[in-house]
Amino acid sequence: EAGVTQFPSHSVIEKGQTVTLRCDPISGHDNLYWYRRVMGKEIKFLLHFVKESKQDESGMPNNRFLAERTGGTYSTLKVQPAELEDSGVYFCASSQDTGRGTDTQYFGPGTRLTVL
Amino acid sequence: AQRVTQPEKLLSVFKGAPVELKCNYSYSGSPELFWYVQYSRQRLQLLLRHISRESIKGFTADLNKGETSFHLKKPFAQEEDSAMYYCALQTGANNLFFGTGTRLTVIP
Repeated sequence: EAGVTQFPSHSVIEKGQTVTLRCDPISGHDNLYWYRRVMGKEIKFLLHFVKESKQDESGMPNNRFLAERTGGTYSTLKVQPAELEDSGVYFCASSQDTGRGTDTQYFGPGTRLTVL
Repeated sequence: AQRVTQPEKLLSVFKGAPVELKCNYSYSGSPELFWYVQYSRQRLQLLLRHISRESIKGFTADLNKGETSFHLKKPFAQEEDSAMYYCALQTGANNLFFGTGTRLTVIP
């Protein structure tokens, strides 16, 4: 079974440009999460989809970040315009919805974003 | 607000020695705690969760609500245990809150 995949693995852009990150969750996983690790700091929650709906986007840093999950399958995270402080590793994770709560989250390899 | 603290950024032990990675948390609700591990060039993966009360790869972790701790322990470290370890707390909303991680190096 394929795990969570993310594309691209690494992106280098200039300040002010736009970047779109993609995440393909494990097939059948309704829950999809985005996290970010800025260098030297902890991995921080950004937002959570349940199917195509945003369940919680309290971790989104500002309105330059836009996440979508059309059709409830893959998700994209767009940063527009990118700023220097957006540099970091963006992780995606997915989990089943067993109804028991605290389902195990499976992580993708991450996308390393560098804003110059 | 919830918070996870891993006081050691780096930890080195000799092969065969015991290892303990510390984790303390702050959360007003009933915590669900996890240890995630990231080996070199691999993705973040779940090592163990407190509700399972399992031993994975020789590692155990006991939730101590009195001390608000969830330290990860292994009696005899192996070289393949060298990795980055993250303690994480999951809230009722299913979101994970991570510590800053501890890089464990097992010296041959």
